[in-house]
Amino acid sequence: DIQMTQSPASLSASLGETVTIECRASEDIYNGLAWYQQKPGKSPQLLIYNANSLHTGVPSRFSGSGSGTQYSLKINSLQSEDVASYFCQQYYDYPWTFGGGTKLELK
Amino acid sequence: EVQLVESGGGLVQPGRSMKLSCAASGFTFSSFPMAWVRQAPTKGLEWVATISTSGGSTYYRDSVKGRFTISRDNAKSTLYLQMNSLRSEDTATYYCTRDYSSYIYGWFAYWGQGTLVTVSS
Repeated sequence: DIQMTQSPASLSASLGETVTIECRASEDIYNGLAWYQQKPGKSPQLLIYNANSLHTGVPSRFSGSGSGTQYSLKINSLQSEDVASYFCQQYYDYPWTFGGGTKLELK
Repeated sequence: EVQLVESGGGLVQPGRSMKLSCAASGFTFSSFPMAWVRQAPTKGLEWVATISTSGGSTYYRDSVKGRFTISRDNAKSTLYLQMNSLRSEDTATYYCTRDYSSYIYGWFAYWGQGTLVTVSS
């Protein structure tokens, strides 16, 4: 199975700050990567697919980048509604696997 | 608006069976692959199974292969997950998800609210 390692596990940032979350795959996943946001008590929501494509309705302050085994999610100008957990997921190969998550809090 | 509404969760004893349902609306159900994703309490996400638009192709993670069966009824716009020989490690919130398009791309574009399955004696 492809292992997905996210860092950091938790993150504290201020409003208006730029935040970056990293995701490393155990092998090349050829941009087969998605990012999800999960607010407390809610179901996950798709943010990014194909490593850098923004899902419909997702604010443009979210962006994805990377290639090979290294990927990142960037949030520009952090808003209060961005407090959530974030997960990466590879779909290059079965079984599709998720990272362990990054919990983002406000400082 | 895409809506996915799961039902059928609850408390079940180890070794017993349970069937989850997911009622879909707001899109042409028969045109999209569907999947189940689960999340153990305070844990991360885990893909469980995927089914093609016709139901002719199914895919499972190893830990549920032979015990779980994903199926769909396109006439009723409903997705199912039959879970047999349940184990304590199957305890999780189970989410019904829809793929992005008619092809199995692998990312989960829409999610239901989830239904909690607790396996305990």
